Amino acid sequence: KNEVEQSPQNLTAQEGEFITINCSYSVGISALHWLQQHPGGGIVSLFMLSSGKKKHGRLIATINIQEKHSSLHITASHPRDSAVYICAVFLMNYGGSQGNLIFGKGTKLSVKP
Amino acid sequence: EADIYQTPRYLVIGTGKKITLECSQTMGHDKMYWYQQDPGMELHLIHYSYGVNSTEKGDLSSESTVSRIRTEHFPLTLESARPSHTSQYLCASSESISALREKLFFGSGTQLSVL
Repeated sequence: KNEVEQSPQNLTAQEGEFITINCSYSVGISALHWLQQHPGGGIVSLFMLSSGKKKHGRLIATINIQEKHSSLHITASHPRDSAVYICAVFLMNYGGSQGNLIFGKGTKLSVKP
Repeated sequence: EADIYQTPRYLVIGTGKKITLECSQTMGHDKMYWYQQDPGMELHLIHYSYGVNSTEKGDLSSESTVSRIRTEHFPLTLESARPSHTSQYLCASSESISALREKLFFGSGTQLSVL
């Protein structure tokens, strides 16, 4: 069982739609990041969360520590939002070959004009 | 603005060659990581380091080595490249700001092709 589960795996939306990507985790974490990766490109961190909610432009990220769940929302989606969105968590207790940082499998978002 | 740099951006080499992928960060982060990522696939941890002279193997480390002689520099070496090593290699660094806050930055990646 993966310790970080993302859904959906793939998502196609029409421009302007409200989008939600979910991340659930089963381990104790110190922080959670939502990452964005464009095709052929590097990875950037959109948000770092340990509690509550953050907003940046059309992007909103929330986290519920008790339920071990986070969501990334995109309001008024645009084709330039098309990318892979990855949930990454820093573990409270770590070591060995896993390291301290584990990732979800990513959600591939495609926004059609 | 991320201050983590990877070179080269693209590399095409022949089988059997020894190669070193460079990664440097100017943010003073203690933790650094190397990941391998095939197109459309998830990230796989190759090696990581929690500080100078500290390195650990990830799940995918068997054919590569790393060193951490300086905080800012974390090179990855493949002793004998094979076509199966063809992939994108991503370097990352992180820093604990507090108990519940950890910054995370990625380099632009090195796309390696082994012929």
